[in-house]
Amino acid sequence: AQRVTQPEKLLSVFKGAPVELKCNYSYSGSPELFWYVQYSRQRLQLLLRHISRESIKGFTADLNKGETSFHLKKPFAQEEDSAMYYCALSGRPNSGGSNYKLTFGKGTLLTVNP
Amino acid sequence: GAGVSQTPSNKVTEKGKYVELRCDPISGHTALYWYRQSLGQGPEFLIYFQGTGAADDSGLPNDRFFAVRPEGSVSTLKIQRTERGDSAVYLCASSLRRQGRAGELFFGEGSRLTVL
Repeated sequence: AQRVTQPEKLLSVFKGAPVELKCNYSYSGSPELFWYVQYSRQRLQLLLRHISRESIKGFTADLNKGETSFHLKKPFAQEEDSAMYYCALSGRPNSGGSNYKLTFGKGTLLTVNP
Repeated sequence: GAGVSQTPSNKVTEKGKYVELRCDPISGHTALYWYRQSLGQGPEFLIYFQGTGAADDSGLPNDRFFAVRPEGSVSTLKIQRTERGDSAVYLCASSLRRQGRAGELFFGEGSRLTVL
């Protein structure tokens, strides 16, 4: 089974403050983790994936296999970062074969106050 | 536009009726996904198509739900004998095929289904 846990439904910070959105996962295989974002009145879109090791809009996320976590971080939050953030999991199963299923967490609503 | 297109955007129906939701993926994307998103929840996987065939339908909740993709492009999600609990936003996504695992999913705006 593959499972994603986002413990915070809501997160509110002030502009310029650091922000961390938590994500933990469970998977019997080699995991691949993603963060998707949904801005107000827009469709769900990819923010970043762990294999790319990239920084998008100032956000970074490091896969910690020991803690089975993939927390999303940004040192200085901006008002335009206010959105719904979903952590998502796929990967290769230990049993071999393919896995095309992408499993999402319940999401964290981030509000950045002026 | 070149994005994933879903119709209708809103559908209100009565309990017990039959509903069809349509998804037109990005041209050239061979993989197509259906998800269901209930209020306050994340997207819940329903079914995945690779080409015309359903490669993984493990998320379909029961046999009232069925999806087809006869020509490997447009897909239709069909719900028979709708129940109030089927009310949700149904999301479609498409992606380029990646060997063995999910690639970046491009989502449509969703079809909001309300069963009265």
